[in-house]
Amino acid sequence: DTEVTQTPKHLVMGMTNKKSLKCEQHMGHRAMYWYKQKAKKPPELMFVYSYEKLSINESVPSRFSPECPNSSLLNLHLHALQPEDSALYLCASSHWPKGSGANVLTFGAGSRLTVL
Amino acid sequence: KQEVTQIPAALSVPEGENLVLNCSFTDSAIYNLQWFRQDPGKGLTSLLLIQSSQREQTSGRLNASLDKSSGRSTLYIAASQPGDSATYLCARGSNYKLTFGKGTLLTVNP
Repeated sequence: DTEVTQTPKHLVMGMTNKKSLKCEQHMGHRAMYWYKQKAKKPPELMFVYSYEKLSINESVPSRFSPECPNSSLLNLHLHALQPEDSALYLCASSHWPKGSGANVLTFGAGSRLTVL
Repeated sequence: KQEVTQIPAALSVPEGENLVLNCSFTDSAIYNLQWFRQDPGKGLTSLLLIQSSQREQTSGRLNASLDKSSGRSTLYIAASQPGDSATYLCARGSNYKLTFGKGTLLTVNP
């Protein structure tokens, strides 16, 4: 299995809703990532997990809450989002530790989020 | 600040033409350089990865080169096809992070 699977593919939510995005991989990767991509912009890193622990938080607002329940799963919990948070959310995974070849990332197809 | 710049921002070519996409980056202390393809509204498909110790990689009609000293990478597409139409993103890999360029929107006209 060489894929990163993201669900749902599309999500529409109101500003008072609580929802979650899910990501799963079975490649034995111990690093998992969330990227955010606004329309016509490049992806931007949000969070990095290594060995199920949060390693990097790129100053992301607390209305985004990541969770890594095990080595194959990565969630992104969403609460009280704003319309400007509408974007494509991309999950990726890679091997760890750091070093040459460590961050050959495999991306999922993304979850398209619309906040009304 | 680590930056990645892609030129041109958009490119339109007739089918069959060979073409080159350019990527430049600051800070030569990179781990690798990756090229991705993104179709409209879709995720990223990895095309080629060049490790910092390598100078080029090839896959089918695609060839990517890396020149760390000048901070440049190129993606060469031979005999372009309408199915190659997409946005091509290059990304500079550091120890934990990929930094992306804004991409080149390629249109191959039949």
